[in-house]
Amino acid sequence: QKEVEQNSGPLSVPEGAIASLNCTYSDRGSQSFFWYRQYSGKSPELIMSIYSNGDKEDGRFTAQLNKASQYVSLLIRDSQPSDSATYLCAVSFNDMRFGAGTRLTVKP
Amino acid sequence: NAGVTQTPKFRILKIGQSMTLQCTQDMNHNYMYWYRQDPGMGLKLIYYSVGAGITDKGEVPNGYNVSRSTTEDFPLRLELAAPSQTSVYFCASSSSRAALAGGNRFFGPGTRLTVL
Repeated sequence: QKEVEQNSGPLSVPEGAIASLNCTYSDRGSQSFFWYRQYSGKSPELIMSIYSNGDKEDGRFTAQLNKASQYVSLLIRDSQPSDSATYLCAVSFNDMRFGAGTRLTVKP
Repeated sequence: NAGVTQTPKFRILKIGQSMTLQCTQDMNHNYMYWYRQDPGMGLKLIYYSVGAGITDKGEVPNGYNVSRSTTEDFPLRLELAAPSQTSVYFCASSSSRAALAGGNRFFGPGTRLTVL
């Protein structure tokens, strides 16, 4: 069974802080890794993709990948109330598997 | 460019009823997908299609059927609705290039289905 595990949260951080979201996966053959953001009652939207070990930065978002540890994370710097959402980790090899998501609340 | 559209937005079915969830995309994507999302359970793949006339089962296909007669449309059919099919259903699409790279799905707004 290919699993993608995330802490369900909720994760609560104050405005301006760094939010750290974590994800582990079981399929060592996984090659592509994604973070989707899903606002309540809305559909998921892609915010980050990462394919190789290390860090990838895009604005306030940084994705980190460690294939040896089967671990991928998302850091959100200078968190804003508008970042409050559920963040889904997705891992892909022959098929894409989603984690259950971590609910993030950024408090003003 | 509407992206991926789904109808209806909400539906309540009685046990044993049938219905079709509609999905249309205008991005000329070859790959299309149906997911269901249960609370706290993440997205599960029901069926997918790599092009018109080609469909295949995903992780949770039981109780569902699909067809793909055109590039644009990918309807999902529930034949005998059961309470276990209460969920939010998302249709998604991706380009062949993105799909082969394991990549991005563009999601529709979802259909919230309740079976009583």
